[in-house]
Amino acid sequence: GDSVTQMEGPVTLSEEAFLTINCTYTATGYPSLFWYVQYPGEGLQLLLKATKADDKGSNKGFEATYRKETTSFHLEKGSVQVSDSAVYFCALSEGGSQGNLIFGKGTKLSVKP
Amino acid sequence: SAVISQKPSRDICQRGTSLTIQCQVDSQVTMMFWYRQQPGQSLTLIATANQGSEATYESGFVIDKFPISRPNLTFSTLTVSNMSPEDSSIYLCSVAAGVNYGYTFGSGTRLTVV
Repeated sequence: GDSVTQMEGPVTLSEEAFLTINCTYTATGYPSLFWYVQYPGEGLQLLLKATKADDKGSNKGFEATYRKETTSFHLEKGSVQVSDSAVYFCALSEGGSQGNLIFGKGTKLSVKP
Repeated sequence: SAVISQKPSRDICQRGTSLTIQCQVDSQVTMMFWYRQQPGQSLTLIATANQGSEATYESGFVIDKFPISRPNLTFSTLTVSNMSPEDSSIYLCSVAAGVNYGYTFGSGTRLTVV
């Protein structure tokens, strides 16, 4: 079945460091790909998404490119801030608006001042 | 995108009791999804709820333990029945807000069973 594999955390960075969180997927079709963020004590928020190969999703300085050839959707940010400390989940959906999300295990990011 | 109001936000319950979680959406949606997030873990789909039909449960989840109602296109409830400490988790509802908007989540219900 479909699955998402995320790099394990926790990840600890200094402020202004470069961030990469790796995400690869397995799917039978052509899924939509998502990154969600969960700040401490809060629910899930959509960070960015891409619905087809070579699409780049971006938001709040974060970017991820849908790479069909490597089945990857790595999350990057050029300069992290303390306020980016959160858990990041990579997810996919194959069913359009009728399908559920399949999540990776999540990566906890801590940014130190 | 859709906005979901989820209640309660948290609760502490005695083992053996039941808790019903409600999700109200500000627009009509076909499918609603219920997830569980155990402490420090990722989200696992419990069931998919369609209006007017029985919910579809994922492997490891059964209707007797997690009955779901979906009386209309904007509302759903999930009940956690005969609770034990192992049910302590965050429970979240979600709707698909169209492929261009991603999925929207309720704020979650943090359940502690003592």
